[in-house]
Amino acid sequence: DTAVSQTPKYLVTQMGNDKSIKCEQNLGHDTMYWYKQDSKKFLKIMFSYNNKELIINETVPNRFSPKSPDKAHLNLHINSLELGDSAVYFCASSQPGLQGRRDNSPLHFGNGTRLTVT
Amino acid sequence: AQSVTQLDSHVSVSEGTPVLLRCNYSSSYSPSLFWYVQHPNKGLQLLLKYTSAATLVKGINGFEAEFKKSETSFHLTKPSAHMSDAAEYFCVVKGQGGKLIFGQGTELSVKP
Repeated sequence: DTAVSQTPKYLVTQMGNDKSIKCEQNLGHDTMYWYKQDSKKFLKIMFSYNNKELIINETVPNRFSPKSPDKAHLNLHINSLELGDSAVYFCASSQPGLQGRRDNSPLHFGNGTRLTVT
Repeated sequence: AQSVTQLDSHVSVSEGTPVLLRCNYSSSYSPSLFWYVQHPNKGLQLLLKYTSAATLVKGINGFEAEFKKSETSFHLTKPSAHMSDAAEYFCVVKGQGGKLIFGQGTELSVKP
C-alpha cells in the first residue's frame, strides 16, 4: 500500500544512454513533482504536473522530458545521459489547497531513484 | 520570492540531550513552512507543518517547531535526542505553484 512508488531504486548506466524512471501515486492527488537531490543533498524541483498538465518547469535541460499519462503517474525520461546527471531523483505528490486560500498541503515523497552515470 | 536558510550544516548532540535545528525564512506573505527528515538512503518524511493555527507546532517523534514572525524563524526542537534521530533535516517553504523550496539541510549526529 505504498503511497508514492518509483522504479527503479537504483539505475547505473553509461553516458549517452537514454533511461526512464517511473512514478506512481495511489493517494488520489492532483499534483505530482520531480525533484533532484545532488551529492551535497540539496533538493531542487525539476517539474510539476497538475492533472496531467505541466505547471512548473525549472530550467531543466531539454534532455529531461516528463510524461504524465494520467494524474496518478509521472514518468521521467532522460536522453543522452551525462555524468552530471548522476543524482537521486525523487517523485512526490500533493493535493493543492483551495483556490484563494493558503496552500499548506505537504508533499508525499517516494523513496528515490539513485542514478549513476559512468 | 520565498527562501529558507538553515543556519547549521551539521549538529552533533549526545543521546538524551536537547536538539535545536535552526531555520530562518524569507517570504513576502504569510508562509507555509515544513520540516522534513531524510534517513540514510531513504525518502523524505514529513515531520511537521505550520498552518497558522498555532505558532507552536507538534510533529512526529517528539519534535516541535515554533513559528516566530518577528524573527522570521521556524526552529526545530526536541527535548531529548535518540540515536534513531540521526538523519538529515530539511526546513522547507512552499512557493508559487505549490513547489517546495528546500533549505540546504542540517545533518544531525547523535552520540551515545
